[in-house]
Amino acid sequence: QSALTQPASVSGSPGQSITVSCTGTSSDVGGYNYVSWYQQHPGKAPKLMISEVSNRPSGVSDRFSGSKSGNTASLTISGLQAEDEADYYCSSYTTSSTLIFGGGTKLTVL
Amino acid sequence: EVQLVESGGGLVQPGGSLRLSCAASGFTFNSYWMHWVRQTPEKGLVWVSRIDTGGSSLVYADSVKGRFTISRDNARNTLYLQMDSLGAEDTAIYYCARNPRGAYFDLWGRGTLVTVSS
Repeated sequence: QSALTQPASVSGSPGQSITVSCTGTSSDVGGYNYVSWYQQHPGKAPKLMISEVSNRPSGVSDRFSGSKSGNTASLTISGLQAEDEADYYCSSYTTSSTLIFGGGTKLTVL
Repeated sequence: EVQLVESGGGLVQPGGSLRLSCAASGFTFNSYWMHWVRQTPEKGLVWVSRIDTGGSSLVYADSVKGRFTISRDNARNTLYLQMDSLGAEDTAIYYCARNPRGAYFDLWGRGTLVTVSS
């Protein structure tokens, strides 16, 4: 099964908002509300930012939000800050009872 | 402290075997499904395998099915990944991750590097 499709890179200036898309199929993203998003800084382990499409774990800034429409999920970061510069990965449950990740998106804060 | 600590990575020749361990502490290990996820610069994060709380329900990615075996010892609070018939494509950082419910990971280890090379 191919990875979910994410843009390779996105960028924005401090204070701006950006959106990262994550496109799958009806067998994964579109079929379940089990999309999650992870932030990864260089050399560090991934960190959960959004679970189950739009749930934000305790301790995660409310500048991070998630949504889904059809086979595409989105992560929006508002009020960009320098510390948001990182790689972002989406993940989804699949009809095969497996999980699948996106290829990752590198966020650059200009 | 709530944490996961992987170990057992290293350099192995093609066709060889390796067993990874993931030691859990600070939480009730036997209440969580657990997963292995690997990462390479080229592919990013790739899901590998999942085990349920009791160790009876196992799921694998097609790329490792028949070669890798996930298991757990709840008495020792430890997750394992037995990797056989290793190839260069298995070279990666391997993470263990905790799955509280649904299909997401709320706790990750720091990873252990596996390098398959002659």
